[in-house]
Amino acid sequence: NAGVTQTPKFRVLKTGQSMTLLCAQDMNHEYMYWYRQDPGMGLRLIHYSVGEGTTAKGEVPDGYNVSRLKKQNFLLGLESAAPSQTSVYFCASSYVRRNEQFFGPGTRLTVL
Amino acid sequence: AQRVTQPEKLLSVFKGAPVELKCNYSYSGSPELFWYVQYSRQRLQLLLRHISRESIKGFTADLNKGETSFHLKKPFAQEEDSAMYYCALSGPSGGYQKVTFGTGTKLQVIP
Repeated sequence: NAGVTQTPKFRVLKTGQSMTLLCAQDMNHEYMYWYRQDPGMGLRLIHYSVGEGTTAKGEVPDGYNVSRLKKQNFLLGLESAAPSQTSVYFCASSYVRRNEQFFGPGTRLTVL
Repeated sequence: AQRVTQPEKLLSVFKGAPVELKCNYSYSGSPELFWYVQYSRQRLQLLLRHISRESIKGFTADLNKGETSFHLKKPFAQEEDSAMYYCALSGPSGGYQKVTFGTGTKLQVIP
């Protein structure tokens, strides 16, 4: 099993550009999450999903949108990138009844 | 509201010295506590969880409900322990199991 994968690994955007980050998991997990990791601030939850077709806002949702059309995929979109969105983005997934989260390798995004 | 506090951003210890990474939490209920570790250029991975009561890579953590703490300890630090450590709390919130992470502590083991 590949576990949790993320594409792309790196990306540089200009302010105002848009992009989509893809997260895929092959463990049949119900829950999926998007976090951003910034120095001194740890992991902050952007959006999460408790099942196919459902999404909800996390701690820092502004400027991001998500979709979960298939159980195994969770997409994070930036409609108009801003320098404040420069960060490392991690996707994670978990079973409903077990709280251990499995993380992807991360996407390093720079917005100029 | 649930909150996790890791007071130290950086903890430097010499190889062979004891290690204690502090974690305090705030939660009105019975939470589940975890420690995750992130080695350089690697993804976060679960180190241990309080309900397992096990020792992983020589690390242990005891949940102290009276002090609302879940400190991570190891008697003798090794160079390969150098990493970022995150304490996390899971508890029901709004119909799902919400997980809150602390801000992390970077452990630096000096040879």
